[in-house]
Order: sequence, then structure tokens, then C-alpha cells
Amino acid sequence: SQKIEQNSEALNIQEGKTATLTCNYTNYSPAYLQWYRQDPGRGPVFLLLIRENEKEKRKERLKVTFDTTLKQSLFHITASQPADSATYLCALDSDRAGNNRKLIWGLGTSLAVNP
Amino acid sequence: NAGVTQTPKFRILKIGQSMTLQCTQDMNHNYMYWYRQDPGMGLKLIYYSVGAGITDKGEVPNGYNVSRSTTEDFPLRLELAAPSQTSVYFCASKGGGNSPLHFGNGTRLTVT
Repeated sequence: SQKIEQNSEALNIQEGKTATLTCNYTNYSPAYLQWYRQDPGRGPVFLLLIRENEKEKRKERLKVTFDTTLKQSLFHITASQPADSATYLCALDSDRAGNNRKLIWGLGTSLAVNP
Repeated sequence: NAGVTQTPKFRILKIGQSMTLQCTQDMNHNYMYWYRQDPGMGLKLIYYSVGAGITDKGEVPNGYNVSRSTTEDFPLRLELAAPSQTSVYFCASKGGGNSPLHFGNGTRLTVT
């Protein structure tokens, strides 16, 4: 069956360091992959989208890579700040039409950035 | 710009009661979605809509109903509440193509 795995354990890092979060998938051929941030009691907020034919995407301090051979995406936050503390979700979609009806979600990784 | 607005934020229901979770968006998005989020389960799609008058089932539709009479509104109806429907419910919308999802802040529902 299709499966997405994210770091199950919480990630604790020191302010200023780079946080790296992992999203692995099996039995799936995604057309694109998305990363969202979720704060307690709030809905997920979109961060980045990367397509199957893209290796890397950047936005300010954020970088995402996508390796369809390894079936893995890495999400990096450079120069991390306590305000980056949240749960980060990855989501994959195999439907190139983009209506999201086949979007599947990981359980998320909790990141804590300590001052 | 309010984005996606969900009401109520919290609700406690007794088994067998019914209720409607409200969702409205002001971004003129054609696509709208209802998800539930349970601990250890991730987000699961309940129903979605690709435009006014068009709805379809997602992965976990049993026990729920939806309607989409306008572009802005996408209410979710629970007819006979069961303890298994205790969850956090999120409504989301998106524009066309690979545009991202915009989520509301959720409704926390407890069925006792």
C-alpha cells in the first residue's frame, strides 16, 4: 500500500543551525510534493511545492529537494529561529491535473528550535 | 482578506445528534475540501468539490454529507454523530492547477 514516512521523533536543534526534515515514500509515483507548516490549534500553511522533474526548490531560508530514485524529499531550514518551531507535514499527489483528490499526507515532524 | 473561515471552533455532541460544520472562503476558489485529522493518522479527505454544484467522495466519506450551492460555501453535515467522528475537521480551498491548499483553523468536535 502507499505509504509516507516522516521523522517520527521530534527534532530539537539549536537556534542558528540548519534543520533537516525527511519525507520518504513507498509504492507511490508522485507528480509533485508539498511541504506545509502546522502550529498547534491551527490549520496547515503551505510552504513549498516541488515537481517530479525538479531536484531542488528554494524560498528564503527554506530549501526542499526531491529524489524520485531514492523516493525521498528533504526539507531544510537554514539559520533556524525559535519561531520556526512547529510541525511540518509533507504531502504527495500522483494526479498531474492538480485537483488534490489523491493527495496523501505524512504524519508530520515536530521541530523545536531552542534559543 | 479572511481566507478560509470555519465555524464553530469547538463543539461537543451527544451520540445520535446532528450538526453542520460551516466553511466559507473569499478567494473565489473553485476547489474545496473537507479533511479530518486524528492523532497518528494524518489528514484524511472526507469530501471535495471542484465547483458549485459538484461534490465527490474522498477517502473517508461514511457518516458525512456535503453540499456546494455557491462558490464560497462548503458545509459538512453529520447526521447521526458517533464517537468515531471525534476529530479535528479542516476545510481547505485552492485555485486551479498545482496551486496550494489554503486551510481554515479547524473545528474540534467531540462526540460523547
